[in-house]
Amino acid sequence: AIQLTQSPSSLSASVGDRVTITCRASQGLSSPLAWYQQRPGKPPNLLIYHVSSLASGVPSRFSGSGSGTDFTLTISSLQPEDFATYYCQHFNTYPLTFGGGTKVEIK
Amino acid sequence: QVQLVQSGAEVKKPGASVRVSCKASEYPFTGYYLHWVRQAPGQGLEWVGWINPNNGDTTYAQKFQGRVTMTTDTSITTAYLDLHKVTSDDTAVYYCARDSSRRDCDYWGQGTLVTVSS
Repeated sequence: AIQLTQSPSSLSASVGDRVTITCRASQGLSSPLAWYQQRPGKPPNLLIYHVSSLASGVPSRFSGSGSGTDFTLTISSLQPEDFATYYCQHFNTYPLTFGGGTKVEIK
Repeated sequence: QVQLVQSGAEVKKPGASVRVSCKASEYPFTGYYLHWVRQAPGQGLEWVGWINPNNGDTTYAQKFQGRVTMTTDTSITTAYLDLHKVTSDDTAVYYCARDSSRRDCDYWGQGTLVTVSS
C-alpha cells in the first residue's frame, strides 16, 4: 500500500502567518491528491482536490500544489478558524490512504 | 443540500457485531460510491472500504476483510456498515462519506461513535 507521510505532525503559528504542510507519498501518484480540514468533534471537510483545485466554498487563502511524490498545502494568511488538523489523501490504488495529519495550533 | 445522516452511538461488548447506518438525501443515491472511514480516539483517519450503491459492489481494506459487510437499501437511500467480532481496537468514530467521482470525499456524515467495552 502507498504510504502518505505528512510533515510536520504539528505546528504553532500566529494569525496572519503563511503556513505550509507537506505530504510525501511512498511512490509516485498517478491519480489526484486531496486535502481535508478537520476541526475537533467534526467530520473532515474537503479543501482541495486534484492536487490544486479548490473545493466549493473554500476560501482562496488555501492552495495546493505538487506532483509525483511531493505535495503541499499552503494557507497564505492563517485565520482563527483555520486552527485545525489537516490530512492529505490519495486513492491511487487500493487501499485509499490518508496521511497521518498535521495539527495547526495557535502560537 | 446533500446530506448524510448517520445512526446514533453504539456500545458493544467484545465479540459482538455492530451496525451503523447512513441515510443519504438530496442527490441521486445510486450515482455515487459511498466510503466508510473510521477514526480512533485521538488518532488519524482510516479507510474501511467503499460500496457502489448502483450494484452493491464493494471493496474492503484488507485489514477488515472477513469482518466487515457493507450494504445499501436503495429504496430508502441508506447505506449500512456491519462490523463483526469487534474488539476494543474497533472503538472509533465511523464516518460515511460520498465519493465525488474524483476518488475524494466531498460530503461526510456527522459520525457515529462505536465503543467496545466489556
